[in-house]
Amino acid sequence: KNEVEQSPQNLTAQEGEFITINCSYSVGISALHWLQQHPGGGIVSLFMLSSGKKKHGRLIATINIQEKHSSLHITASHPRDSAVYICAVGMYGGSQGNLIFGKGTKLSVKP
Amino acid sequence: DGGITQSPKYLFRKEGQNVTLSCEQNLNHDAMYWYRQDPGQGLRLIYYSQIVNDFQKGDIAEGYSVSREKKESFPLTVTSAQKNPTAFYLCASRDRPNTEAFFGQGTRLTVV
Repeated sequence: KNEVEQSPQNLTAQEGEFITINCSYSVGISALHWLQQHPGGGIVSLFMLSSGKKKHGRLIATINIQEKHSSLHITASHPRDSAVYICAVGMYGGSQGNLIFGKGTKLSVKP
Repeated sequence: DGGITQSPKYLFRKEGQNVTLSCEQNLNHDAMYWYRQDPGQGLRLIYYSQIVNDFQKGDIAEGYSVSREKKESFPLTVTSAQKNPTAFYLCASRDRPNTEAFFGQGTRLTVV
């Protein structure tokens, strides 16, 4: 069974700061997802990656397959980035594409 | 615009009653999933379906039932057998394994 660990659990930042959220997993995966959950509860997919690095606007996601580790970076953070960020992994041979989720990192960006 | 619609957003139920949560997608995705989210825990899989008229139990299926009569619809029934039903429920869909997952806005169920 894959264990997905995120750190930190909670993060408070000042507007403009560079933010890093980490995700580690225990066994090989087919892909890793970064998701964003706003206070209303709905979840939006930010990235899906299986190697290297992806960038979208101020968000950057990296993954190191050998070390079983991924990071989500937010540059020039803004209060609207305040949300819970969730890491999820897809397993080879898993339940028809089911994802295993971390517990999330709650980010609060102060103006 | 394509997406997933869950309804209602908030639901209150009396103990001992069954209740059905709706999930509809117009993304033409084959796979659909139901997850439960509790405070301080990651999302846990309740049921999933890869194709119409077929579905499989997830990790916490006890006290829940589903149907998949149409490709676009995957309703979840929370039965009176579910011992602790108060939670946030999320529906998701994917075109196939290892593709992007799309989520609904969720339904917050409270048993009173």
